[in-house]
Amino acid sequence: DAGVIQSPRHEVTEMGQEVTLRCKPISGHDYLFWYRQTMMRGLELLIYFNNNVPIDDSGMPEDRFSAKMPNASFSTLKIQPSEPRDSAVYFCASSQIGRQETQYFGPGTRLLVL
Amino acid sequence: QKEVEQNSGPLSVPEGAIASLNCTYSDRGSQSFFWYRQYSGKSPELIMFIYSNGDKEDGRFTAQLNKASQYVSLLIRDSQPSDSATYLCAATKHRGAGKSTFGDGTTLTVKP
Repeated sequence: DAGVIQSPRHEVTEMGQEVTLRCKPISGHDYLFWYRQTMMRGLELLIYFNNNVPIDDSGMPEDRFSAKMPNASFSTLKIQPSEPRDSAVYFCASSQIGRQETQYFGPGTRLLVL
Repeated sequence: QKEVEQNSGPLSVPEGAIASLNCTYSDRGSQSFFWYRQYSGKSPELIMFIYSNGDKEDGRFTAQLNKASQYVSLLIRDSQPSDSATYLCAATKHRGAGKSTFGDGTTLTVKP
């Protein structure tokens, strides 16, 4: 399997612009997680899905962030409008039912908001 | 106080030595505990998880959990230069999938 795929790998944008991050989980995995990592705050869970349904979005920082999972093989994390403090590495991870503990992380998207 | 705290390090050990990484957590309701390894510029990789008090061994790695003391540790035996990375401790209130809270990580350097 190709592992978790994220795109783009790098994104540079200007404050106020909309940013969309994409994730393709490992085929057959039932759980999908979105994380953000910064030097100041470390690694934080933003939201996770089970069978395409959002289960816990308490980590989503504010209304500017939204996440969707329209089908089992695709998820997006959108920031609108983006702000410089959103600059971070965003990771997507997936796991399968019965082995939920083992999350496989994607390579991450490095976002810089100027 | 952070929910999950780790010694920030850096921790440096000679090749072949035992590296000991420590983590404490504040929420007594935490059920699952994880150790991730993250190389610089890369994504986290799960090394081990533990639910029950005591030790859990996997190759050169041993995770130890003491719920009474709210303490989790990771021992790496026969440390190798390839073990040089940042190690993240995480806690979850549920077994299996759930919202994990991460520590800030401990950076380990293994010197040849």
